[in-house]
Amino acid sequence: QITLKESGPTLLKPTQTLTLTCTFSGFSLSTSGVGVGWIRQPPGQALEWLALIYWNDDKRYSPSLKTRLTITKDTSKNQVVLIMTNLDPVDTATYFCARGFGSGYYLSGFNYWGQGTLVTVPS
Amino acid sequence: QSALTQPASVAGSPGQSITISCTGSSSDVGGYDFVSWYQQHPDIAPKLIIYDVRERPSGVSNRFSGSKSGNTASLTISGLQAEDEAYYYCYSYARSSTFVVFGGGTKLTVL
Repeated sequence: QITLKESGPTLLKPTQTLTLTCTFSGFSLSTSGVGVGWIRQPPGQALEWLALIYWNDDKRYSPSLKTRLTITKDTSKNQVVLIMTNLDPVDTATYFCARGFGSGYYLSGFNYWGQGTLVTVPS
Repeated sequence: QSALTQPASVAGSPGQSITISCTGSSSDVGGYDFVSWYQQHPDIAPKLIIYDVRERPSGVSNRFSGSKSGNTASLTISGLQAEDEAYYYCYSYARSSTFVVFGGGTKLTVL
């Protein structure tokens, strides 16, 4: 059974740094073709992809947020960490981590998702 | 503004079929067969219902089907049921630095 769960602070101030941890089970992030990504969803809005880390430590970032994001993995702990700097109220959203799958670097999508964690940045 | 364009809303009656479109460009939907669709009920994480344009994950009803023509992908839901009322998002792998794009989402109302 594959599960993912996000953890981290729920309330932060503008300019602060957000650190989110995705703890997963039921699969290994050392398996070829597997990745773990982060996707966020502001209240009442659409999904927005943020970042993904592959089994081989290759990383991809949303071009619009690239300068503010860092994604890392700890394979031994089955964890992926996302760091987002210089928070703004527009970063208020539910943040999901999800298992990415596909053929090599071609990502077919995300087949398992965490429940999400709401992060609020008041103005 | 999302990179993939979906209608904001669609509606249908129980038993009918509806189709949701997802329009991108030759850099994403038109260039790759890595299009997927997600169903999201309120306050619940998205669920993968179609991947690689037309493939269904195990356990997903065969009432859900996907297709693609040019730069537009489509999700068809046949035999609408009340439980299908939800938001639907499309996704595509994309060229170079863009990498991944989602659609703006479509609210399906079952009348």
